[in-house]
Amino acid sequence: EAAVTQSPRSKVAVTGGKVTLSCHQTNNHDYMYWYRQDTGHGLRLIHYSYVADSTEKGDIPDGYKASRPSQENFSLILELASLSQTAVYFCASSDALLYEQYFGPGTRLTVL
Amino acid sequence: AQSVTQPDARVTVSEGASLQLRCKYSYFGTPYLFWYVQYPRQGLQLLLKYYPGDPVVQGVNGFEAEFSKSNSSFHLRKASVHWSDWAVYFCAVSIKGNNNNRIFFGDGTQLVVKP
Repeated sequence: EAAVTQSPRSKVAVTGGKVTLSCHQTNNHDYMYWYRQDTGHGLRLIHYSYVADSTEKGDIPDGYKASRPSQENFSLILELASLSQTAVYFCASSDALLYEQYFGPGTRLTVL
Repeated sequence: AQSVTQPDARVTVSEGASLQLRCKYSYFGTPYLFWYVQYPRQGLQLLLKYYPGDPVVQGVNGFEAEFSKSNSSFHLRKASVHWSDWAVYFCAVSIKGNNNNRIFFGDGTQLVVKP
């Protein structure tokens, strides 16, 4: 079954440390996305990619980098984690011909 | 600019009662609209989608939604709520641009089901 998977599912990081969140999709989709969700709020777009080896900034890219080494894989990198980056992070994928997106289960990141 | 408003942060209904969750969108072009559901500690699952055509669309588990261009709305309905429907529901609007396929989400409505 086509799916979007994320690893790790949860992580505790220290302030100033480096964090890498990984996403893998088997949907054969061109587009991939990283969102963050804060308690009681909707999703906000951090970065997205429409083709391998290329990434684009979303609405809240500051403090985050992204990497798309292949069609299937999309990583989110926090070079210097901060307390304000404590949130749940979701990866999603989408086909270029469709409008809907398909989501992974999320990664709960706690920065201490 | 495009946006989605869900005016009710929380809705409480009794099991077996009917349900309506409200959604208003703002978008100049042709909207493609969605309802997603998020169960506790899970990702978002697509509940139903509207592509231009029949204004009433059916989703999974007895959910349906009705698109109204005149009211800029896309309300979600269910005739009889089950306890398993306890979740957060997100309304979203999608737009396509050059090399992007964006979705804008509302803040969500928490559905609480009373026994």
